[in-house]
Amino acid sequence: EDQVTQSPEALRLQEGESSSLNCSYTVSGLRGLFWYRQDPGKGPEFLFTLYSAGEEKEKERLKATLTKKESFLHITAPKPEDSATYLCAVNDVTGGGNKLTFGTGTQLKVEL
Amino acid sequence: DVKVTQSSRYLVKRTGEKVFLECVQDMDHENMFWYRQDPGLGLRLIYFSYDVKMKEKGDIPEGYSVSREKKERFSLILESASTNQTSMYLCASSTPTGANYGYTFGSGTRLTVV
Repeated sequence: EDQVTQSPEALRLQEGESSSLNCSYTVSGLRGLFWYRQDPGKGPEFLFTLYSAGEEKEKERLKATLTKKESFLHITAPKPEDSATYLCAVNDVTGGGNKLTFGTGTQLKVEL
Repeated sequence: DVKVTQSSRYLVKRTGEKVFLECVQDMDHENMFWYRQDPGLGLRLIYFSYDVKMKEKGDIPEGYSVSREKKERFSLILESASTNQTSMYLCASSTPTGANYGYTFGSGTRLTVV
């Protein structure tokens, strides 16, 4: 059974204070690892897909990296508008096509 | 932009009622999914569909059913609503190679069963 564990559950940063969110996963075979951003009362918004260990992707202040057991979402010099819940999900090559298994998320709060 | 539209943002229903949650996508996606999201439990897959008239159970299908009569529409049905089905319900769609581009989610329906 696929498992996704995110840490920390919640993170409070000052504006400009860089940090990283962690996503540890267990799958039979990784087809893809996804990062989403979710604002309160809204559906998750797609950020990145990573496919193989060593891969990195960037978007503005966000950078996602992948190893064989975990992924990190690095936030550089965050701003208050980066406050949201960040979700990690995996797609397994075995049994299930495009089904995603999600972690419970990291709730990020960036303060002035 | 790909749009996934859920018919209601907020719903309040009584215990025992039959509840229909509607989801429509406008990008001709083959795959559609229903998740529920609860604090501390994350998103859990209820049902999914890879084609019209086709459906498969997810991880928590008990108490739910689905209907996909047209490619763009995927409905979630609560046969007899119970208080433990109070939750945020999220619909999503993707292409067959959704692993490349991820899901597109709707804005969610917050259902309260009283």
